[in-house]
Amino acid sequence: NAGVTQTPKFQVLKTGQSMTLQCAQDMNHEYMSWYRQDPGMGLRLIHYSVGAGITDQGEVPNGYNVSRSTTEDFPLRLLSAAPSQTSVYFCASSPPGSQEQYFGPGTRLTVT
Amino acid sequence: SQKIEQNSEALNIQEGKTATLTCNYTNYSPAYLQWYRQDPGRGPVFLLLIRENEKEKRKERLKVTFDTTLKQSLFHITASQPADSATYLCALGDYGQNFVFGPGTRLSVLP
Repeated sequence: NAGVTQTPKFQVLKTGQSMTLQCAQDMNHEYMSWYRQDPGMGLRLIHYSVGAGITDQGEVPNGYNVSRSTTEDFPLRLLSAAPSQTSVYFCASSPPGSQEQYFGPGTRLTVT
Repeated sequence: SQKIEQNSEALNIQEGKTATLTCNYTNYSPAYLQWYRQDPGRGPVFLLLIRENEKEKRKERLKVTFDTTLKQSLFHITASQPADSATYLCALGDYGQNFVFGPGTRLSVLP
């Protein structure tokens, strides 16, 4: 198993550009989530999904969209990038009935 | 609003000693608490989970305590090694699968 994979690893965007951060897992986990990590603030939940076709907002959803058309993939879309979205983004997944989260390696995003 | 604090931002300890990290929370009644390890440039890795009705959990050199009256968890690494140097995150969860993470404590074990 590859676990949770994320692409790209690094990305630089200009203000106003859009992009999609990719996340995939091959463990057949139903629950998937996106976090952002900023210095001194810990991981903050952006969006999550409890299964294919179901998504919901987390603590900081503004400026981000998600979709879950398959169990494996959970992409995160930035509609119009802003400097405040400069951060490290982590995708995570959990197996059914478990609270243990498996994290991907992260995407470091810089918006200039 | 919910708030999670982890003792100091950084903790230095001598090799072989026991490292103790603290996680305090307010305005929250978690069903369980987790500890994760994060190395630079990598995603967090799950270490231990302790439920609200449990006082203590152990795994090899790791021990976690959970006091819901004090709203505090202690995370101990005994016989610490330089390889234990990392950032340690606590996370509180409800009966679903959503979590609130603390800011982390960066532990350095000095040889």
